Amino acid sequence: NAGVTQTPKFQVLKTGQSMTLQCAQDMNHEYMSWYRQDPGMGLRLIHYSVGAGITDQGEVPNGYNVSRSTTEDFPLRLLSAAPSQTSVYFCASSYSKGGNTEAFFGQGTRLTVV
Amino acid sequence: SQQGEEDPQALSIQEGENATMNCSYKTSINNLQWYRQNSGRGLVHLILIRSNEREKHSGRLRVTLDTSKKSSSLLITASRAADTASYFCYIPLDTGRRALTFGSGTRLQVQP
Repeated sequence: NAGVTQTPKFQVLKTGQSMTLQCAQDMNHEYMSWYRQDPGMGLRLIHYSVGAGITDQGEVPNGYNVSRSTTEDFPLRLLSAAPSQTSVYFCASSYSKGGNTEAFFGQGTRLTVV
Repeated sequence: SQQGEEDPQALSIQEGENATMNCSYKTSINNLQWYRQNSGRGLVHLILIRSNEREKHSGRLRVTLDTSKKSSSLLITASRAADTASYFCYIPLDTGRRALTFGSGTRLQVQP
């Protein structure tokens, strides 16, 4: 049981490049989310999914796309990287059990856009 | 969106002292949860307290909940240098939306 696995751990992109951050969970959780965390800040929600085939926007969705073709995977795509997207990205999965939802987080992807 | 707001933003104490941080929220809740984030790492779930509970303990952690004041406190007793981290509270949304949203957290520094 690996939990939530994010790849890569580190990435440097040039402005305008595109890339996909991978997130996989093996806990059969319905809910998955992507967050970004800037230095000294809390987590801001980018996109989330409440099940396979269902996604929705969070607080800061612009410049990012997601899809959820399977329960296990929830990739985050940067369409055309910008320096403002330099951040640490976290993926999380969660279950809902009678309304009590505990989240499990990946170890993060540190992205630098130059 | 419903989210907790932590206070203070930063806290520095000596090893062995107790650390208290607070979380305020605006609407009715089903439960409230506390998470810890070590530098550069993901968040780790610490403790959950339900709306019908007033106090809960887990090891050196003590959480209280006052639904009349819409606030919760996290107390870490006999703090250790390893407790240095950011602490976040989270309130699950009651609607169909299930994504977790967090405040800016309390940054705790425990000096050895």
